[in-house]
Amino acid sequence: EIVLTQSPGTLSLSPGERATLSCRASQSVSSNYLGWYQQKPGQAPRLLIYGASSRATGVPDRFSGSGSGTDFTLTISRLEPEDFAVYYCQQYGSSAFTFGPGTKVDIK
Amino acid sequence: QLQLQESGPGLVKPSETLSLTCTVSGGSISRDSYYWGWIRQPPGKGPEWIGNLYYTGSTSSNPSLKGRVAISVDRSKNQFSLKLTSVTAADTAVYYCARRETIVTLGTFDIWGQGTMVTVSS
Repeated sequence: EIVLTQSPGTLSLSPGERATLSCRASQSVSSNYLGWYQQKPGQAPRLLIYGASSRATGVPDRFSGSGSGTDFTLTISRLEPEDFAVYYCQQYGSSAFTFGPGTKVDIK
Repeated sequence: QLQLQESGPGLVKPSETLSLTCTVSGGSISRDSYYWGWIRQPPGKGPEWIGNLYYTGSTSSNPSLKGRVAISVDRSKNQFSLKLTSVTAADTAVYYCARRETIVTLGTFDIWGQGTMVTVSS
């Protein structure tokens, strides 16, 4: 099973600042099969990024994804009030799907 | 617009079987570019994939659940279902059904139900 590790666990920032979230895999992941989700309290996760760098339908362009192999990054260029949430990375490989433990982005 | 809705008991006794159904509306479950999945999220933790189903009835599941998972489809009702046997308190979680689309978004889940909380307790 591919294990995903996310850092930092919590990121405290102010609106307008840039957020950089990291996702590291225990073994190489196909970029086609790496995604990022946003989750707000009481809601289901929402797909933001698929294929490591493609934005899902309706996702603002302040969200961007990058990376390959074992290291992937989600960047929020300028935080809006609605962006404070928990973010998860997820991969598909070897016929199984795994999620990371999440990074919470909260208001400083 | 495609929507998914989970339904089932919110409380299950230890050692019994958890049974949930996901109803798909706004589109057919029998599309060859879609898989249908179950994902759970224990309180305060990240999501965990349980298993997937293709409309033909073909399934795959998380090896960590050690054969306790059964996923089935009812194409006539546009529904798919989850059964998880021999539950313990560790199975307490919010359970989501979700769609995996295999042409564009590939290995991710692009549409999710709202989730249903299931508590395992006597």
